Amino acid sequence: DAGVTQSPTHLIKTRGQHVTLRCSPISGHKSVSWYQQVLGQGPQFIFQYYEKEERGRGNFPDRFSARQFPNYSSELNVNALLLGDSALYLCASSLLPGAYEQYFGPGTRLTVT
Amino acid sequence: AQRVTQPEKLLSVFKGAPVELKCNYSYSGSPELFWYVQYSRQRLQLLLRHISRESIKGFTADLNKGETSFHLKKPFAQEEDSAMYYCALLSGAGSYQLTFGKGTKLSVIP
Repeated sequence: DAGVTQSPTHLIKTRGQHVTLRCSPISGHKSVSWYQQVLGQGPQFIFQYYEKEERGRGNFPDRFSARQFPNYSSELNVNALLLGDSALYLCASSLLPGAYEQYFGPGTRLTVT
Repeated sequence: AQRVTQPEKLLSVFKGAPVELKCNYSYSGSPELFWYVQYSRQRLQLLLRHISRESIKGFTADLNKGETSFHLKKPFAQEEDSAMYYCALLSGAGSYQLTFGKGTKLSVIP
């Protein structure tokens, strides 16, 4: 198993545009979480999905949305991009939600110009 | 609201010296705490969690509810310990949100 995979690796967008980031969890893992990591900060929780349902949402505006598919892969969507959305977006998968080890992907580096 | 504080941005120690990475938390419920580590050019990965009370790569961490701390310790630092370390707190109540500190960069000087 390659572990958690994310695509694309890097992305450059213009203010006001929309972006979709993708994540494939480890085989057998049913829970996916998304984090935003701004340079010099720790990861900040955005969403958690389990069995295609949103189980948690961090303090992010409605421009951020996500979904989980029947195969447990997930997409993070960000509308009306702002310069401040420039960050590393991390996806993590775990067997179940809760106090289970989260396995992180390599991240998608988003730059908004 | 939960909060995790790692007061040191950078910690430099000599090889063989003891290491202590500080972590303090603020949470109204019963906390579940973790240490994650990121080695150079590698992914963020779990180092240890307080509920398992284990020692990984010589590191230990004890939860002190009175001082609301979860400091990471190792008696003798090795060069391969150089990495970014993040303390994290898991909140329950259905959301299972993991809150990270800002991280401490540990540099072990040979």
